Amino acid sequence: QKEVEQNSGPLSVPEGAIASLNCTYSDRGSQSFFWYRQYSGKSPELIMFIYSNGDKEDGRFTAQLNKASQYVSLLIRDSQPSDSATYLCAAQGDSSYKLIFGSGTRLLVRP
Amino acid sequence: DAGVTQSPTHLIKTRGQQVTLRCSPKSGHDTVSWYQQALGQGPQFIFQYYEEEERQRGNFPDRFSGHQFPNYSSELNVNALLLGDSALYLCASSFGQISGNTIYFGEGSWLTVV
Repeated sequence: QKEVEQNSGPLSVPEGAIASLNCTYSDRGSQSFFWYRQYSGKSPELIMFIYSNGDKEDGRFTAQLNKASQYVSLLIRDSQPSDSATYLCAAQGDSSYKLIFGSGTRLLVRP
Repeated sequence: DAGVTQSPTHLIKTRGQQVTLRCSPKSGHDTVSWYQQALGQGPQFIFQYYEEEERQRGNFPDRFSGHQFPNYSSELNVNALLLGDSALYLCASSFGQISGNTIYFGEGSWLTVV
């Protein structure tokens, strides 16, 4: 069973801090990795995706990928209360285009 | 530029009934995938349509079927509804059968089976 694992949380950080969200995956054939933010009662919103080892930055967000360790992370700098949501990590294979999601990590940013 | 649009937003059905959900992909996208998200879980892949054909299917029974139209819009049909089919149904659109392209979700259709 190909899986994506995330700590369910909640991860609680103070406003202005760096939030670090982690994700591991079991299928070494996974090539691309996506981070989505989902507010309660809403649909997932794409934050960013990464497919090369290393870091990828977009504004306050940085995705990190380590294929050797089968590990993906998302850093949120200067966390705001509006960042409080569930963050979903998803893996996509090279020939299988479906996304395999983790169960999500709930982030709570305290004012 | 319209994003991914889904309808209806909410619906309530009775066990044994049938339901049809609709999706229009983002402008420029030609691939539509459907996902089911139960409360507290990540979305689960149902199937994907490209060039009007089902290209991939997840672990869902044949009660779940779909269709893609020439304008790339898509329908998800679920027959013989069960209480366990109550979930958020998400449509995702992307361009081509290429790994690593952006994938956007619609607002979803909330289905309650009573």
